[in-house]
Amino acid sequence: DAKTTQPTSMDCAEGRAANLPCNHSTISGNEYVYWYRQIHSQGPQYIIHGLKNNETNEMASLIITEDRKSSTLILPHATLRDTAVYYCIVREETSGSRLTFGEGTQLTVNP
Amino acid sequence: DAGITQSPRHKVTETGTPVTLRCHQTENHRYMYWYRQDPGHGLRLIHYSYGVKDTDKGEVSDGYSVSRSKTEDFLLTLESATSSQTSVYFCAISVWTGPYEQYFGPGTRLTVT
Repeated sequence: DAKTTQPTSMDCAEGRAANLPCNHSTISGNEYVYWYRQIHSQGPQYIIHGLKNNETNEMASLIITEDRKSSTLILPHATLRDTAVYYCIVREETSGSRLTFGEGTQLTVNP
Repeated sequence: DAGITQSPRHKVTETGTPVTLRCHQTENHRYMYWYRQDPGHGLRLIHYSYGVKDTDKGEVSDGYSVSRSKTEDFLLTLESATSSQTSVYFCAISVWTGPYEQYFGPGTRLTVT
């Protein structure tokens, strides 16, 4: 699986958009980009994934650059409950393939 | 929570004792995983299973064994617990949503004294 690089920490004001970057310059053509988050002491929670196109769901938007070497997770209106560690993971979509977690980005949403 | 439970949720044990953690799912998914997470770090894969009696090692499997005799249960055993195995253990399943997504259990906090 391709390695990812994320900032160690970020801050965001409540109600503003949180934009979390991820670099994955060695991503291959059949690897997806996944985002998970982990709120303190809880199990990681799936947020969103994408292959080439931008994606949006009820939680977030995922913007993938045209060359697929980087992506941005956008939380459009961050709340205090969005404070968590956010993990960007790239992997092939083989059957049941496991996730390789890096250190992630600690997002702190401030009142 | 995708119907995943873990037991026990907390356990304190002494060095050298065997410990078994249980992961139970209610939806008969094929793939199950055990991860450990140490303070300030991401999750690391211990073992995984792709079906009944079909298991394989992850990146940190030394000192751990697993068994899966039923689809719904995946057991993680520490044969002889050591202080370095003090950690939070998470179980996960893979669910096909085109492609696969992983869903995690609530975790088991294990302390080896």
